[in-house]
Amino acid sequence: DSGVTQTPKHLITATGQRVTLRCSPRSGDLSVYWYQQSLDQGLQFLIQYYNGEERAKGNILERFSAQQFPDLHSELNLSSLELGDSALYFCASSVVGNSGNTIYFGEGSWLTVV
Amino acid sequence: AQSVSQHNHHVILSEAASLELGCNYSYGGTVNLFWYVQYPGQHLQLLLKYFSGDPLVKGIKGFEAEFIKSKFSFNLRKPSVQWSDTAEYFCAVNYNAGNMLTFGGGTRLMVKP
Repeated sequence: DSGVTQTPKHLITATGQRVTLRCSPRSGDLSVYWYQQSLDQGLQFLIQYYNGEERAKGNILERFSAQQFPDLHSELNLSSLELGDSALYFCASSVVGNSGNTIYFGEGSWLTVV
Repeated sequence: AQSVSQHNHHVILSEAASLELGCNYSYGGTVNLFWYVQYPGQHLQLLLKYFSGDPLVKGIKGFEAEFIKSKFSFNLRKPSVQWSDTAEYFCAVNYNAGNMLTFGGGTRLMVKP
């Protein structure tokens, strides 16, 4: 158990819909990362938040957005869903937002778009 | 662009065989290096990491990796694999005190009992 908690574990939804994935970082970790893992794209960094502020942005679609709340939990919002958005979405957390820190991953949220 | 390459996509070994998985990264300044393992249906778990110092790093479950700066490599090794090592292994690099990990494409290891 990494200490990073993600809900829901599995989600099936239809195209065009919107979903929210939730992540609670490890106790004391200020930084939250979102990654997408799909068969064709592998592991892709989406976005990072540090203590409530967006710190870095990767290959995140405009249809996707995220935020980190004052209690440090984070949510990833996926809208206008397409079949290709089906993937495993990982949240990860670390103590600090830059080098030298180790990133710990949650168990992921499986999203299936039908 | 910064990239990480894992040349072995699928590896099949018998129990007790030795393992070496390759990882090469593109030049991009200072690096921190990681190997993660993902067992079937599970999340990514940290095997080992290199930040500085001794380039031979020992991790959990008998794994080790060697950082060879001149070759931009960070290969993962294990002298004797077990069936329970069947998993997917990911090499990851953090560049220049940046904020994200760049992952390789992963290597699926199957160990036959």
